[in-house]
Amino acid sequence: GIQVEQSPPDLILQEGANSTLRCNFSDSVNNLQWFHQNPWGQLINLFYIPSGTKQNGRLSATTVATERYSLLYISSSQTTDSGVYFCAVEPLNYGGSQGNLIFGKGTKLSVKP
Amino acid sequence: DAGVTQSPTHLIKTRGQHVTLRCSPISGHKSVSWYQQVLGQGPQFIFQYYEKEERGRGNFPDRFSARQFPNYSSELNVNALLLGDSALYLCASSFGRRYEQYFGPGTRLTVT
Repeated sequence: GIQVEQSPPDLILQEGANSTLRCNFSDSVNNLQWFHQNPWGQLINLFYIPSGTKQNGRLSATTVATERYSLLYISSSQTTDSGVYFCAVEPLNYGGSQGNLIFGKGTKLSVKP
Repeated sequence: DAGVTQSPTHLIKTRGQHVTLRCSPISGHKSVSWYQQVLGQGPQFIFQYYEKEERGRGNFPDRFSARQFPNYSSELNVNALLLGDSALYLCASSFGRRYEQYFGPGTRLTVT
């Protein structure tokens, strides 16, 4: 099946710093989503981005589907950005299980004041 | 609009028991998916239901089952609980089978 790899696994930043999180995937995808999981376990939708570039405030994302990777940019980080960031893909061809998301292992971000 | 809701929030069960978890999707969404997240890992797909029919199943044993009701809410059932079933169970809803998914707050299940 499709493999999703996220890097780095852990990231520690000082408040105000910028960062780039990467997601590589091994096969063609129909859908790619970025999530932020807060300390209480809630997965918060950041971007639905199967291709192209999107921006939402201090966050932006780029997916290059032909090269099978996506990047999440966080600028001017704040302590509230801390948590785990997940990339999840929906394989383009997945037999009878279309519509399910395959998650990476996440990047754990800690922003220090 | 209300988001995805799940109940209960927390649950403690004993090995061998049965558990039922519930999920209500966002209004207008017809697809519900279930995921299991163990500590330190990303969520893993269990089931997808669309229009009350099972449309996808992950690599989970037959002890796991689910159903979707006419109002599109869903239940996840797990029989003969094992210690390894301890996890955060997440429900996601989407408009259709291949649309953006939105997650509920999860049910944290502890099996002792």
